[in-house]
Amino acid sequence: GEDVEQSLFLSVREGDSSVINCTYTDSSSTYLYWYKQEPGAGLQLLTYIFSNMDMKQDQRLTVLLNKKDKHLSLRIADTQTGDSAIYFCAERSNNAGNMLTFGGGTRLMVKP
Amino acid sequence: DAGITQSPRHKVTETGTPVTLRCHQTENHRYMYWYRQDPGHGLRLIHYSYGVKDTDKGEVSDGYSVSRSKTEDFLLTLESATSSQTSVYFCAITQGVRPYEQYFGPGTRLTVT
Repeated sequence: GEDVEQSLFLSVREGDSSVINCTYTDSSSTYLYWYKQEPGAGLQLLTYIFSNMDMKQDQRLTVLLNKKDKHLSLRIADTQTGDSAIYFCAERSNNAGNMLTFGGGTRLMVKP
Repeated sequence: DAGITQSPRHKVTETGTPVTLRCHQTENHRYMYWYRQDPGHGLRLIHYSYGVKDTDKGEVSDGYSVSRSKTEDFLLTLESATSSQTSVYFCAITQGVRPYEQYFGPGTRLTVT
């Protein structure tokens, strides 16, 4: 079955880069996603990458995909206190319902 | 903002009572989803809909039913709530133009005592 795993917690200093990692098991994944959740809020779609790409950059965000190792990472450059949140990795397999499978989330804490 | 609202936003109910959560969207999206969020589990899919009266089960559908009688509303019903259904429930949609982008509503916090 499908499984998506993330580390639970990451702490960085303001201004440093953050790297959040994710591993998945479904080799048929077509899209991989990063969502951000702030306290008491819903999930915000940050970025996503199609499975035939190995990198995507969007302003301060860089997504790297290693399909051989089934490893996805999100790098946030110049991390700010406003980046403190829970980050979820998700994968979409080749299914009719466009369904996503989520990891358990990584809590990012940014210290001033 | 994909025009998704959820109601109620918070609810406390007793074990054994029926509960219905509503997801409403204003942009004529075809696909709608119900997820639950629990600590350490991320989000898990309960049910989804691919059109009016067309629904299917997700990973954790036991104890839940859904209905979609019109495009804009997707209802999630707990026929007899249990304490294990205490959770935060999120509705989501995918847009027709870009069906690989999934957007979430603000969530409903349900507590079953």
